[in-house]
Amino acid sequence: GAVVSQHPSRVICKSGTSVKIECRSLDFQATTMFWYRQFPKKSLMLMATSNEGSKATYEQGVEKDKFLINHASLTLSTLTVTSAHPEDSSFYICSAREGPPVYEQYFGPGTRLTVT
Amino acid sequence: AQSVAQPEDQVNVAEGNPLTVKCTYSVSGNPYLFWYVQYPNRGLQFLLKYITGDNLVKGSYGFEAEFNKSQTSFHLKKPSALVSDSALYFCAVSLYNTDKLIFGTGTRLQVFP
Repeated sequence: GAVVSQHPSRVICKSGTSVKIECRSLDFQATTMFWYRQFPKKSLMLMATSNEGSKATYEQGVEKDKFLINHASLTLSTLTVTSAHPEDSSFYICSAREGPPVYEQYFGPGTRLTVT
Repeated sequence: AQSVAQPEDQVNVAEGNPLTVKCTYSVSGNPYLFWYVQYPNRGLQFLLKYITGDNLVKGSYGFEAEFNKSQTSFHLKKPSALVSDSALYFCAVSLYNTDKLIFGTGTRLQVFP
């Protein structure tokens, strides 16, 4: 089946620094990628939807200047957490949606971000 | 607005017994319904989906789910639970195939030997 990878799987950074998380579709082209945030024992919260070559669409309440999303190619999207703070510590999961006619959505393994 | 409810935070079942994980939804149209499973510190794995057609959907690892339009439910079931089925299960809905997924709050399934 289709595989989505995320890198890094875990990252620890100091408060005030920026962290970039990569999401790649390994064996298919993803016209759309989604970024989710998952808090402990909570559901996934959709942060933004990114379409290749265009600006990301952010969900209400998500700061677009803090969570920068770039979808430069059909196989790569990046999420950059800028000026990270401890409250940004979370599990970030991306998903990639295959194009027509399949439209199936595949999830990455997640990235655990800890901000100290 | 679309929404999904998973009324049980946790479901406990003995190995070999049937299991049910409940899900109800609310959409203003025909729903696309999904079940995903998440193991600790891992992403989501797709189990099954309902788009149209037969109300009983069979998926991975012996799981199945029944779409019930009148009760707006999409409960996940398995005839005989395994200890290895212990994980976090998410129900999700979208309004059409290319729409974003809205997830329920998740149900932790614990299967005891």
